[in-house]
Amino acid sequence: DVQMTQSPSTLSASVGDRVTITCRASQSVNSWLSWYQQKPGKPPKLLIYKASTLESGVPSRFSGSGSGTEFTLTIGCLQPDDFATYYCQQYNSYSLFTFGPGTKVEIK
Amino acid sequence: EVQLVESGGGLVQPGGSLRLSCAATGFTFNTYWMTWVRQAPGKGPEWVANIKPDGSDKYYVDSVKGRFTISRDNANNSLYLQMKYLGADDTAVYYCARVVPEAGPDCWGQGIPVTVSS
Repeated sequence: DVQMTQSPSTLSASVGDRVTITCRASQSVNSWLSWYQQKPGKPPKLLIYKASTLESGVPSRFSGSGSGTEFTLTIGCLQPDDFATYYCQQYNSYSLFTFGPGTKVEIK
Repeated sequence: EVQLVESGGGLVQPGGSLRLSCAATGFTFNTYWMTWVRQAPGKGPEWVANIKPDGSDKYYVDSVKGRFTISRDNANNSLYLQMKYLGADDTAVYYCARVVPEAGPDCWGQGIPVTVSS
């Protein structure tokens, strides 16, 4: 089974900072990797899919890169609305989807 | 507008059963894979099950195999999750979501809580 890890687990940052979150897969998932943002009491919101494609309506300060087993999510200029938890998810096969453990972005 | 509305959750005793439903509107339901994802209190999301558009293929996370059954009624644009032999580890908010080939789960319901406790 594909296992996903994320680092860091918590990230303290200030408004205006550039933030990078890393996601690693235990085996190649090609580019079938999405990033989600989740706020308390809400469902996950799709930000990026196919590793680097921005979902419609998502601000351009969000970007994704990577392929195979290593991926990154970058927030170019952190805004107050961006303080949340971020999850990566692989969907390389319909027989198994896997989420990462999450990265909480909190206010420094 | 895509809408997914879950129902059927609640409090159930250990060993009990529950059937979740998800009503879908705003898209051609019978052309999409659908998925159930759960999130235990304070934890990250965990994928539970997927079902093919025509219902012919179904996949489950190991921890629910033999206990949970995903199904769908394309005539009524509805997705279901039958859960049996529930244990405390099944306590979570359960989400249904639409799956697109390019992006995985893209649209999610608001979730329905399931609590397994005596």
